[in-house]
Amino acid sequence: DAGVTQSPTHLIKTRGQQVTLRCSPKSGHDTVSWYQQALGQGPQFIFQYYEEEERQRGNFPDRFSGHQFPNYSSELNVNALLLGDSALYLCASSPGTGGSDTQYFGPGTRLTVL
Amino acid sequence: ILNVEQSPQSLHVQEGDSTNFTCSFPSSNFYALHWYRWETAKSPEALFVMTLNGDEKKKGRISATLNTKEGYSYLYIKGSQPEDSATYLCAFPRGYNFNKFYFGSGTKLNVKP
Repeated sequence: DAGVTQSPTHLIKTRGQQVTLRCSPKSGHDTVSWYQQALGQGPQFIFQYYEEEERQRGNFPDRFSGHQFPNYSSELNVNALLLGDSALYLCASSPGTGGSDTQYFGPGTRLTVL
Repeated sequence: ILNVEQSPQSLHVQEGDSTNFTCSFPSSNFYALHWYRWETAKSPEALFVMTLNGDEKKKGRISATLNTKEGYSYLYIKGSQPEDSATYLCAFPRGYNFNKFYFGSGTKLNVKP
């Protein structure tokens, strides 16, 4: 059973560009959450998708947007990249949207903005 | 902004030592607390989901306790091994349907052989 997968592994962009990160959830999971992890900090919640809709959003600007497809896979898009967007982006899937549902994480995408 | 605090930030122990660290969270409107282990170059791995005051969970040499009234959880590792070296994170769900997870900054454990 494949776990959560993310692509690409690493990405280098320049300021002002746009980026799309991809996530495939664990088999049987219908909920995907995205996190940003800056150096020395814990993961920060960006948003959660369920039934192709954004269900909950963290304190991130509108430059961060997402999408969930009918097969439950998801994309995270970031527009007008800033240097401060450099971070590890983690995707987590879960079998539901509840707070007691275990989240299973992917290996992350390391984004560097120059 | 919700504060989930973890202490200490880092810990260096010798193989065979037992150790523990703390996750503090707001005690009001508690729903659940999650513990994760994150080894370098790997994905965070779920350890425990704790939901009831007084909960105690165990997985091998790792155990966790929960006090929702005072807002803290302890993670214990008995007889630390080098393979226990990792960052241990706690996460506290909030928001509508409690599906917005707030993570602490983690405790980085280094176990020396």
